[in-house]
Amino acid sequence: NAGVMQNPRHLVRRRGQEARLRCSPMKGHSHVYWYRQLPEEGLKFMVYLQKENIIDESGMPKERFSAEFPKEGPSILRIQQVVRGDSAAYFCASSPFQEHTEAFFGQGTRLTVV
Amino acid sequence: KNEVEQSPQNLTAQEGEFITINCSYSVGISALHWLQQHPGGGIVSLFMLSSGKKKHGRLIATINIQEKHSSLHITASHPRDSAVYICAVTETSGSRLTFGEGTQLTVNP
Repeated sequence: NAGVMQNPRHLVRRRGQEARLRCSPMKGHSHVYWYRQLPEEGLKFMVYLQKENIIDESGMPKERFSAEFPKEGPSILRIQQVVRGDSAAYFCASSPFQEHTEAFFGQGTRLTVV
Repeated sequence: KNEVEQSPQNLTAQEGEFITINCSYSVGISALHWLQQHPGGGIVSLFMLSSGKKKHGRLIATINIQEKHSSLHITASHPRDSAVYICAVTETSGSRLTFGEGTQLTVNP
C-alpha cells in the first residue's frame, strides 16, 4: 500500500508563472489536507478537501491560490502568478476519516520561485 | 501566543544522553501528534496520543490532558536521531492539525 505521493518533489518557477502541485492520498483515504512550511517557520494549515468538495479553506491566501480534489485523480494545489514569497515546502496529508486518526504525510514539494 | 508551544527550540546532546522535548497547548484537543522531519525530507508520524503514554523502541511519548502538556523522550540517543521534532494537535473544534514550531535536535557522536 503506497503512502501519500506528492509530485514533483522539487519545482522551480519564475516569478509570474503557475505552479501545480499534486497529491495522491493513500488508498482508501478520501480526506486531503495541504500544509505549507515557509523557510525557518513551522507548518501552517492551508486547505482541507474531500472528494469534489472544499471543506475548509481558511488557511489559503485569498488570491492566486486554489485547490481541488476531483472524483478521479490526485488533489491539486495551484498557485498562479507565483512570487518569491511563495517559495516553501508544501506538504499533503491524507486520512480515511474526517479527523486525523494518524498523520500520513507525503514527502512534500519544495517550490522555489526565482 | 501560539496555540502549540514547544521547548526547547534547539537541543544539542551527546550520543547516549536521555532527551526530553516538551509541548504545551492552549486549546481543546482530540489528539496530539509527535512528528519527525529530517533535513530536506518528509514528515513521519511517530505517535498519536489522546491519553497516557506510548512507547516505540527508544521513543516514549506522554500526555497530561488536565495540564495540556505532552513530552517526547528519547532514551540512549544516537546521531541518527538528529532531526526536527514537531508537536501537533487535532483540535476538538475541527479536523486539521495545528503545529508547534518544532525542536531541532542534534546528537553528536
